[in-house]
Amino acid sequence: DIQMTQSPSSLSASVGDRVTITCRASQSISTYLNWYQQRPGKAPKLLLYDASSLQSGVPSRFSGSGSGTDFTLTISSLQPEDFATYYCQQSYRTSWTFGLGTMVEIK
Amino acid sequence: QVQLVQSGAEVKKPGASVEFSCKTSGYSFRNYDINWVRQAPGQGLEWMGWISGYNGNTDYAQKFQGRVTLTTDTSTNIAYMEMRSLRSDDTAVYFCARGRGQPPDQSFDYWGQGTPVTVSS
Repeated sequence: DIQMTQSPSSLSASVGDRVTITCRASQSISTYLNWYQQRPGKAPKLLLYDASSLQSGVPSRFSGSGSGTDFTLTISSLQPEDFATYYCQQSYRTSWTFGLGTMVEIK
Repeated sequence: QVQLVQSGAEVKKPGASVEFSCKTSGYSFRNYDINWVRQAPGQGLEWMGWISGYNGNTDYAQKFQGRVTLTTDTSTNIAYMEMRSLRSDDTAVYFCARGRGQPPDQSFDYWGQGTPVTVSS
């Protein structure tokens, strides 16, 4: 299976901050990388697919970049509703695998 | 609007089986796949398997091969997952999620609310 490593595992930030989360694949996955947001007690929500394509209805403050093995999720100006856990997922090959998550907490 | 509504919470003893359901609405069932993902308490997301809404083809994560069976009922637009030989480490919330795109390039664009399962003697 392709291993996905996210960093950091958690971070503290303030409203209005720019936040960047990194995801690294154990092998090249081109741009087959998706990002999800999960709030406590809720189902995950798709934010971006194919590394940089914004899912319909997702605010434009979310963006993604990268290809090969290294990817980033950026939140340009953190909002109160963005405090959550973020997961990357590779869609290069089944079994699809997720990173362990990055928890974004309020500073 | 697209909705995936899952069955209610379950409590099972070790060695038992459990069946989950995922009732879909708001889209053409045959045009999308259904995936199952679980999340143990305080842990991350784990993909379990995939079933085609079109022809019922399946693919399973290796660790669940032989213990999990995915099916669909296209007359009612419901997806099912049966899991057998439950262990305590199967305690988790189980999600169904619609697959967007053709495998393997598939993301999960709509999710059910999750079904909590507790396995305990």
